[in-house]
Amino acid sequence: DTAVSQTPKYLVTQMGNDKSIKCEQNLGHDTMYWYKQDSKKFLKIMFSYNNKELIINETVPNRFSPKSPDKAHLNLHINSLELGDSAVYFCASSRRGTGELFFGEGSRLTVL
Amino acid sequence: AQSVTQLGSHVSVSEGALVLLRCNYSSSVPPYLFWYVQYPNQGLQLLLKYTTGATLVKGINGFEAEFKKSETSFHLTKPSAHMSDAAEYFCAVSDLTGTASKLTFGTGTRLQVTL
Repeated sequence: DTAVSQTPKYLVTQMGNDKSIKCEQNLGHDTMYWYKQDSKKFLKIMFSYNNKELIINETVPNRFSPKSPDKAHLNLHINSLELGDSAVYFCASSRRGTGELFFGEGSRLTVL
Repeated sequence: AQSVTQLGSHVSVSEGALVLLRCNYSSSVPPYLFWYVQYPNQGLQLLLKYTTGATLVKGINGFEAEFKKSETSFHLTKPSAHMSDAAEYFCAVSDLTGTASKLTFGTGTRLQVTL
């Protein structure tokens, strides 16, 4: 069983569209994250949820809205997509305070 | 604020040679340090971490790293490279305060292993 799974793996869409990425973890962790990896492989945290509560919200355009229906799921919705949103988005989870993040395989978003 | 600098965006070694990937950090609080590996088209996987205690940390796949506070470094080494070690390696720092582990990553080092 995949520990952290994201869907879809690839998204190709036009500017201005809205898209969502779903993430689920079956590790029993209470903290989940969204990271963005740009074309130069730079990784930056976007959001973190602990038990459905938003605890990290970096400087991200408000076109990005995370939602955590329960502690095993963290979704990312993006409105009005722009060219600069093209990246690989990684979901991750961890136990509180360990620093050991378990990453999904990533969702590659291409905005045309 | 915390930051990580990885010297060398690309390192090439011969199979069987020593691997040395450099990482220097900046942190105003005692740091927790990590090395993650990313294979092509995959997510990141933890190689090893330093939190407290012994400064020489052993990880998976024969890798180890040494925390040197005086040098603010956490370099990753492996005595003998294998072709399967070819990947992107990321050093990261965190203060592990609060409920979330907010990791700040370096820009990554691509390791190439040649025959």
